[in-house]
Amino acid sequence: SFVVTQPPSLSVAPGETARITCEGDNIGDRSVHWYQQKPGQAPVLVIYRVTDRPSGIPARFFGSNSGAGATLTIAGVEAGDEAVYYCQVWWDHYVFGPGTEVTVL
Amino acid sequence: QVQLQQWGAGLLKPSDTLSLTCGVSGASFSGYYWGWIRQPPGKGLEWIGSISDSRGTNYNSSLESRVTISGDTSKNQVSLKLTLVTAADTAVYYCAKSPPIAGAGPRRFFEQWGQGVRVIVSS
Repeated sequence: SFVVTQPPSLSVAPGETARITCEGDNIGDRSVHWYQQKPGQAPVLVIYRVTDRPSGIPARFFGSNSGAGATLTIAGVEAGDEAVYYCQVWWDHYVFGPGTEVTVL
Repeated sequence: QVQLQQWGAGLLKPSDTLSLTCGVSGASFSGYYWGWIRQPPGKGLEWIGSISDSRGTNYNSSLESRVTISGDTSKNQVSLKLTLVTAADTAVYYCAKSPPIAGAGPRRFFEQWGQGVRVIVSS
């Protein structure tokens, strides 16, 4: 089965840039999607098809994918961005990464 | 505006059957993938299975022997049944909707989620 890895945690100061990686075999060939989950809330889609943003998601959130892995970048991090971020791919079934907890210092 | 409203029993005993329903407003059952995802306390997201009227169902292989997902087009509802529950099935259960099946580009992601239902399995 396809396994996706993410760093468990990331700390970033307000105004700085957070980069969250998502790695797996040949993930560069996959369409990667990202979800934000705040405590006690359902996940929210923040990036789909690698780079697309749903309406209402700030342009500070953007995605990329290369042979080395997929990355969710949050520019100009704000306190409200503190959450767990999950990547997800489709590999004959839905595969979620383990999540990266982003802490805003 | 699409809304997914979930309901079902939140406290079960071991060996019971978990039964949850997801009511959909603002979209029809037809033409989309609908998924169930769960999240054990303090852990990540686990896909349980999905359904669409045109493609049928597919399930996480680790749960397949105990899971049934069904849809009711007349009521615009999607249901989940999980048999023989144990403490390991304690989790928040979410239903979620994918974009329309008919369309360009990869469609296998979830653009809307229900509010989640907390299910506790305890004797």
